[in-house]
Amino acid sequence: ETGVTQTPRHLVMGMTNKKSLKCEQHLGHNAMYWYKQSAKKPLELMFVYNFKEQTENNSVPSRFSPECPNSSHLFLHLHTLQPEDSALYLCASSQDRGVTEAFFGQGTRLTVV
Amino acid sequence: GNSVTQMEGPVTLSEEAFLTINCTYTATGYPSLFWYVQYPGEGLQLLLKATKADDKGSNKGFEATYRKETTSFHLEKGSVQVSDSAVYFCALSNMAYGGSQGNLIFGKGTKLSVKP
Repeated sequence: ETGVTQTPRHLVMGMTNKKSLKCEQHLGHNAMYWYKQSAKKPLELMFVYNFKEQTENNSVPSRFSPECPNSSHLFLHLHTLQPEDSALYLCASSQDRGVTEAFFGQGTRLTVV
Repeated sequence: GNSVTQMEGPVTLSEEAFLTINCTYTATGYPSLFWYVQYPGEGLQLLLKATKADDKGSNKGFEATYRKETTSFHLEKGSVQVSDSAVYFCALSNMAYGGSQGNLIFGKGTKLSVKP
C-alpha cells in the first residue's frame, strides 16, 4: 500500500467517449502529478499541482484536462482520445514540489479503441 | 539541462548472480538521486535514494552510491532473487533547475529478469 490510490485500474474507451481517471492520496502531501508511461519511452511528466494550483503543463494536448479540487484528489478528464494515447497513467504525490521522494499509485491502464 | 541515462535492457541473470545497472546523470548544481522499481502490473516504488555526494542509499540488499566525480549512481545487489524481477528506473530531482524545479526526471528503465 503506497498511500496513493488510482481508479479505475483498467479502462477501455472509444475515441468519442469521455471518461475520467481518479487519484486520491491521504499522505498529507501538497504536490500531485500525472505521468504517462508508454512502452519503450521514458516516463513523461504531464501535469504538476502544488497546493491545488497547476504549476506545470508539459505541452499536453487539450484532450487531457486535469482537475485538482483539493490537495488529496486529482482527476484526469479524457475526451476524444486517439489510439496513441493508450498507455499506463500514473499519479504521484510528494510532500512539497521540491521532490525529495514521490509516492506513486498503481496506475490506470488505458486502452483507446 | 537535467537528464538521466541508464543502461539498456533487458538484463537476464540467474538467481544469486551479482547485479549492476548503470546510471549516469547530467545536472546543474546538486541533484538528489533515486532508484525506483516497478513490479509487473504495479506503479513505481521508491527503492533507495541519496541526496548528496558520497551518500550511499540502500534497501532490500540493493545499494547505490552518489558519485559526483563520475556523475553516476549505479545500482548493485550482491545476490539477486527471482522476486527481484522488475523494471528499475534511475531518477533525479534538482531544485536548482529553473522551469522544472524539483520535478523527478526519469531514465528509460531497465528490465531485469532473474531465472531460477
